[in-house]
Amino acid sequence: GENVEQHPSTLSVQEGDSAVIKCTYSDSASNYFPWYKQELGKGPQLIIDIRSNVGEKKDQRIAVTLNKTAKHFSLHITETQPEDSAVYFCAASPGGKLIFGQGTELSVKP
Amino acid sequence: DTAVSQTPKYLVTQMGNDKSIKCEQNLGHDTMYWYKQDSKKFLKIMFSYNNKELIINETVPNRFSPKSPDKAHLNLHINSLELGDSAVYFCASSPRTGFAGELFFGEGSRLTVL
Repeated sequence: GENVEQHPSTLSVQEGDSAVIKCTYSDSASNYFPWYKQELGKGPQLIIDIRSNVGEKKDQRIAVTLNKTAKHFSLHITETQPEDSAVYFCAASPGGKLIFGQGTELSVKP
Repeated sequence: DTAVSQTPKYLVTQMGNDKSIKCEQNLGHDTMYWYKQDSKKFLKIMFSYNNKELIINETVPNRFSPKSPDKAHLNLHINSLELGDSAVYFCASSPRTGFAGELFFGEGSRLTVL
């Protein structure tokens, strides 16, 4: 089955800096790669996603890149703000079932 | 108006007890899920139902029994609770099974087994 590895597990940055989180997946059948943000006491919420026919996608300060050959994808957050502090999860979907990475706890210090 | 709602939000109980968590979605979705998030924040799928039919059962112990009375509701009943069942349980929904798109999560139900 699909296995998703996510790094780093914790990330601390200064406000205004960039943050990068990386994931690798194992199942070449996976064709959908979302990123979720989970704030304290809340459920995960989709922030951006990318499909296998696209190499890069951007939405304001957030961007995701996908390298299908190497089976890895990354989340880039620019100009980080304190409200970006949360746990971020990558996921891969080999057909309707989301398999999540282990999560990255991002802390943005003012 | 909450899209995916779970009750209760917190549940504290003794080992050996039986408890239920309820989930309702008002998005008109056909597919609902239960995910378990352990103390290390790892999110693991447990079950998926599509229009009241069980689609995914990820080798979860028989003590866990999901029930879907209709496509808007998915409940989780747990028998003979064990310490290791302590976790946050999330309900989620998506438009249809096999859908490669956004999952909508509830706010979670934190179960503590003493």
